Amino acid sequence: GAGVSQSPSNKVTEKGKDVELRCDPISGHTALYWYRQSLGQGLEFLIYFQGNSAPDKSGLPSDRFSAERTGGSVSTLTIQRTQQEDSAVYLCASSPGLAGPSTSTDTQYFGPGTRLTVL
Amino acid sequence: AQSVSQHNHHVILSEAASLELGCNYSYGGTVNLFWYVQYPGQHLQLLLKYFSGDPLVKGIKGFEAEFIKSKFSFNLRKPSVQWSDTAEYFCAVNAWNYGQNFVFGPGTRLSVLP
Repeated sequence: GAGVSQSPSNKVTEKGKDVELRCDPISGHTALYWYRQSLGQGLEFLIYFQGNSAPDKSGLPSDRFSAERTGGSVSTLTIQRTQQEDSAVYLCASSPGLAGPSTSTDTQYFGPGTRLTVL
Repeated sequence: AQSVSQHNHHVILSEAASLELGCNYSYGGTVNLFWYVQYPGQHLQLLLKYFSGDPLVKGIKGFEAEFIKSKFSFNLRKPSVQWSDTAEYFCAVNAWNYGQNFVFGPGTRLSVLP
């Protein structure tokens, strides 16, 4: 597609339920990122994929959070046993490929986000 | 810990005023620097970026930023703001010495009064 898409756009769930958030990156982009944006705060890095592997999972806030990417394309972020503090906008971004100190491939293209509300 | 700071949480300006938003980072070594903008109701988009070469970078919509390595800064500027510049602005750093690829600052909300 023309840009990064995410689904659902809004998700309301009850505390303790599991949720799955989906990201479709720009076709051909090998790098994919998940971020969380809480109300009034900046972006918090969650996880990064290069292809199907996740070399950096350092931002996942707890073991209730997991993510996978299949076929080097679609990614799913799963939150188990949701808590109210998980309420936020979850943003996905993709970029063309491996970044380095002198390449021009590090621009991230963001999706519209999924607004998660945990009641 | 590696971090990116933005000096102002909320800036309010009148149209035609000049703008400077501060950004400082704490990484050593090679960095790539970005400013992203989020207009109301829209998703984040790239405003400008610095990788190497001329430390004064021109972006879209008349924005520019200057990389000052000695000060670990990458301040965003615009000589004359418009009402349509009302948005949230995020500075971001990509440093490959560390495991985390991108670190974003907390954002600066700009309100331009007509």
